[in-house]
Amino acid sequence: EPEVTQTPSHQVTQMGQEVILRCVPISNHLYFYWYRQILGQKVEFLVSFYNNEISEKSEIFDDQFSVERPDGSNFTLKIRSTKLEDSAMYFCASTWTSGYEQYFGPGTRLTVT
Amino acid sequence: GENVEQHPSTLSVQEGDSAVIKCTYSDSASNYFPWYKQELGKRPQLIIDIRSNVGEKKDQRIAVTLNKTAKHFSLHITETQPEDSAVYFCAAGPGNYGQNFVFGPGTRLSVLP
Repeated sequence: EPEVTQTPSHQVTQMGQEVILRCVPISNHLYFYWYRQILGQKVEFLVSFYNNEISEKSEIFDDQFSVERPDGSNFTLKIRSTKLEDSAMYFCASTWTSGYEQYFGPGTRLTVT
Repeated sequence: GENVEQHPSTLSVQEGDSAVIKCTYSDSASNYFPWYKQELGKRPQLIIDIRSNVGEKKDQRIAVTLNKTAKHFSLHITETQPEDSAVYFCAAGPGNYGQNFVFGPGTRLSVLP
């Protein structure tokens, strides 16, 4: 069964540094999402992406965040200048048709020191 | 925007008993209600979902009921097994193009042998 993949599994960075989190959605999916989950808390929506543009973004997704689909397979989340409070698990998800099941990747644990 | 509440936050049951988790939502435009199971350190995985044109859906030991008038939906797990132990998240969304889910805060279910 196809799965969403994410790299790296764990990223440690210093405050103020840029990080890029990578995701490979399921190949025939059209809608892509980033969520984050602070340890022990609920999953929070960051951004959705369709047809090479952002469909919707949350209040969390400020100017420090950006997303890109640089080629036909990868979907990336960039945080320009990381803050301590960006430490969380970041999940990528994809779906074939919006509103149907979103398939989650295994997550990238980001630790900002 | 949408707000999803979930109760209880923790639930312990004896193996073989039933477990019920309840969620309420605020936005009457929400039409799609998935339930995700997240085992420790793993990705959220969809276990069942329901759309607003359906009042109840069942899949083996798992069932979900939806009361759209009251804006609440519930997850029912019968004949619980130790492997059902996990955090369960409900979510609500409009089910439309590019729009995200709002997740509840989660319920930690422990099934005691």
